[in-house]
Amino acid sequence: GAGVSQSPSNKVTEKGKDVELRCDPISGHTALYWYRQSLGQGLEFLIYFQGNSAPDKSGLPSDRFSAERTGGSVSTLTIQRTQQEDSAVYLCASSLAAGGPDEQFFGPGTRLTVL
Amino acid sequence: TQLLEQSPQFLSIQEGENLTVYCNSSSVFSSLQWYRQEPGEGPVLLVTVVTGGEVKKLKRLTFQFGDARKDSSLHITAAQPGDTGLYLCAGPLYNQGGKLIFGQGTELSVKP
Repeated sequence: GAGVSQSPSNKVTEKGKDVELRCDPISGHTALYWYRQSLGQGLEFLIYFQGNSAPDKSGLPSDRFSAERTGGSVSTLTIQRTQQEDSAVYLCASSLAAGGPDEQFFGPGTRLTVL
Repeated sequence: TQLLEQSPQFLSIQEGENLTVYCNSSSVFSSLQWYRQEPGEGPVLLVTVVTGGEVKKLKRLTFQFGDARKDSSLHITAAQPGDTGLYLCAGPLYNQGGKLIFGQGTELSVKP
């Protein structure tokens, strides 16, 4: 069965350029999350979409970061004017959000390198 | 401030040894989860503990949730090279939907 997919798997960009990262969640999952992970570290929450509710953007580190989720499915994380400190693995996860402790299913991530 | 503190951050052991990883907080969590992550992949859920004092076993892995629901531990018996990976604990923030806060992870290396 199809899991969470992310593209591209790797992205190298120059400082100052904009990048778009894509996430395809598991079909039927109403919740979608974006996290950032620095090398060998834990996950830093960025943004959370739940159904048709307004997204929880409380983890976005600056206004250069934005995300949208179209049609309750695919999501795109956009980083404008990238900086070297944006280099990290960006992970997307989705869940059923059926209430109670919820298992999040993660994609393989996009490794972003800003030169 | 890290809401969930994991220790140790790095652990390198020989095959067959036992180990324990700790996840501690000053906050109460309604549940805690343990994930395992291999290089180049996303984390995969191992277990969710919900009840204070709960113990769950998954083959050679034993998970405990503290009585006060502020801490958890993961014990691996007779570690194998296949156990190598990054172990992450995570818990939901109160009244914030499914959003999870993660510990910084424990990097485990099991040498044959």
